Amino acid sequence: GQNIDQPTEMTATEGAIVQINCTYQTSGFNGLFWYQQHAGEAPTFLSYNVLDGLEEKGRFSSFLSRSKGYSYLLLKELQMKDSASYLCAVRVMEYGNKLVFGAGTILRVKS
Amino acid sequence: GAGVSQSPSNKVTEKGKDVELRCDPISGHTALYWYRQRLGQGLEFLIYFQGNSAPDKSGLPSDRFSAERTGESVSTLTIQRTQQEDSAVYLCASSQATWGERNSPLHFGNGTRLTVT
Repeated sequence: GQNIDQPTEMTATEGAIVQINCTYQTSGFNGLFWYQQHAGEAPTFLSYNVLDGLEEKGRFSSFLSRSKGYSYLLLKELQMKDSASYLCAVRVMEYGNKLVFGAGTILRVKS
Repeated sequence: GAGVSQSPSNKVTEKGKDVELRCDPISGHTALYWYRQRLGQGLEFLIYFQGNSAPDKSGLPSDRFSAERTGESVSTLTIQRTQQEDSAVYLCASSQATWGERNSPLHFGNGTRLTVT
């Protein structure tokens, strides 16, 4: 089966750096996505990794290690508006390239 | 419109009734997906349409669930004889290509919050 694990909740301080981890056990890995979802809103695309290494996009970076089945999302210079749920999703070739989502990590940014 | 549009935004129905949820994808997006999100949980895949190919219905939880799509436009998700466990947010997403290739991520609508009483 497919299994994607993320911490349920995290709390961090405004201006700090936070790392949200995601581990996965899937068949036929074909890319990993991070989405941000504010309460009551639609998920929005943040980043995509298919090769090992770090992808940087402004204050957000995402890392992938395929051999370890591990990814993290790094958020720098945290702002209050970053309080949201962060969803890790894996594209699985075995299932026609479906996106399988983790349960999400609720990040609370405090002042 | 510029984004994926879903209607209604909220739906309260009695157990046993049928409901129909609508999704208008972004114009030009050939791929359309339905997901379900229960409170505090991740997104559960339901069904996937890609162009004129046969839809991937492998995520539909029971035969009470069905979905249709007309060409590359509107899709409707129908739930018959609703049960309380069907209560969730139903999210629709579209993309230009299959399953969100790098240059074509999934774009989600705001969802329909279904409550079965």
